Amino acid sequence: GQQVMQIPQYQHVQEGEDFTTYCNSSTTLSNIQWYKQRPGGHPVFLIQLVKSGEVKKQKRLTFQFGEAKKNSSLHITATQTTDVGTYFCAGPRKGSSNTGKLIFGQGTTLQVKP
Amino acid sequence: NAGVTQTPKFRVLKTGQSMTLLCAQDMNHEYMYWYRQDPGMGLRLIHYSVGEGTTAKGEVPDGYNVSRLKKQNFLLGLESAAPSQTSVYFCASSRGQGAYEQYFGPGTRLTVT
Repeated sequence: GQQVMQIPQYQHVQEGEDFTTYCNSSTTLSNIQWYKQRPGGHPVFLIQLVKSGEVKKQKRLTFQFGEAKKNSSLHITATQTTDVGTYFCAGPRKGSSNTGKLIFGQGTTLQVKP
Repeated sequence: NAGVTQTPKFRVLKTGQSMTLLCAQDMNHEYMYWYRQDPGMGLRLIHYSVGEGTTAKGEVPDGYNVSRLKKQNFLLGLESAAPSQTSVYFCASSRGQGAYEQYFGPGTRLTVT
């Protein structure tokens, strides 16, 4: 069945170091989304990528959508303690154009040591 | 706008008890979803609705029922709670019409003993 995998599952970094999480889909996606969940919180939408090879930036966060639209990455430059949380990627489920259903990766949990 | 709200925030049930989780959204969104989140499992879709009066099964629907009598509300029911239903439950909504961005509620932490 359709799968979305994220690596790594956990990452511990020193404050100021960079961080990257990777998302790989078993199928081509029409778009990919990224969400952040703070400890004890709920997922919050960060961004959506639609075009092949698209790159978007939000301050220290850089999001990429692969050329084949099957993988994506999130890179954080110079991490801060406010970046702590779990980052999820998500893509539309097959046949979901009329339902908006998403399939989520298992998430990458980022810990930042001050 | 409150966005998506959920009640209750926490609940402890004994095996076999029933309960209803309420989700409300004030964004006039067409689509609504119930997920459960377990450690290492990510977010799994329980049931969803694409409009008032409609519901459909997601990935893990067994043991749950839902209703969407009003556009703004989506109820999740557990008829006979089991320890395997101990989880954090999130409700989400999206605008629909080809939009996939989802807005999540704060969650309900449910423990079944």
